[in-house]
Amino acid sequence: QSALTQPASISASPGQSITISCTGTSSDVGGYNYVSWYQQHPGKAPKLIIFAVGDRPSGVSHRFSGSKSGNTASLTISGLQPEDEADYYCSSYTTNTTVVFGGGTKLTVL
Amino acid sequence: QVQLVQSGAEVKKPGASVKVSCKASGYSFNNYYITWVRQAPGQGLEWMGWIRSYNGDKKYAQKFQDRVTMTTDTSTTTAYMELLSLTSDDTAVYSCARGLNWLDSWGQGTLVTVSS
Repeated sequence: QSALTQPASISASPGQSITISCTGTSSDVGGYNYVSWYQQHPGKAPKLIIFAVGDRPSGVSHRFSGSKSGNTASLTISGLQPEDEADYYCSSYTTNTTVVFGGGTKLTVL
Repeated sequence: QVQLVQSGAEVKKPGASVKVSCKASGYSFNNYYITWVRQAPGQGLEWMGWIRSYNGDKKYAQKFQDRVTMTTDTSTTTAYMELLSLTSDDTAVYSCARGLNWLDSWGQGTLVTVSS
C-alpha cells in the first residue's frame, strides 16, 4: 500500500488560511469516508484533529476543517496562529482493511 | 480520562526482538481497537497494524506480516506489540493508539533503538 501524497511543506503568515491536500486512490481516500488528520508538534504524540473526512473531535478549534473530492482529501486551517506550526498527517482506511498515512506536511507559520 | 501508557525505551542488538506494552485505562477496553504506529527519526508516521481488543482479530501491514505479533490481555487492559529480527531500520518510536479508522488517543511512544 503506497503512502498517501501530501505536500512536503507549506508556509504562511499568521491570520492567513492554508489548505493541505492528501491524494490517494479509489481504494483508500476515494472509496471510504474514513479520512482523518493528525497534528504533531516536535517531540509530541500526534493529535487527532479531523476524523471521518470532516468531523472535529471535541475541543479542536473550528479553524480546522476537512473535506474530500474524489481521491483527494483536504485540511484547511483558517486564521493561522503561531501554535499551528507543526507536522500534519492524513490517513485513510483502505480496501485491504488496512490504514495508510500520508507522508506528512510541515507547516511553517512565518 | 482515556490514557494509554507505554513501556519504557529499549536498546536492542540487531537480530533481537522487542516487546512493547500499552496499558489502557479510562474507557471500556473491549469496545475499541488498538492500532500500532511507528515513526523513525525525522520520518513520517507508519501504520503497523490493528488488533481488536476483545477477541484478538488483527490485521498487519504487509511489510511487517512475518515478524510482528500484536496481542491483548483483557484482564489487565494491556496491548502488546512484539517485533522480531530487528535491524537498524527498525530504530523508531513505537506508539499505540485507540481506534481503527481514526486514532483518538495515543500513548506517549516507546523509543526502540537497534544498535550493535
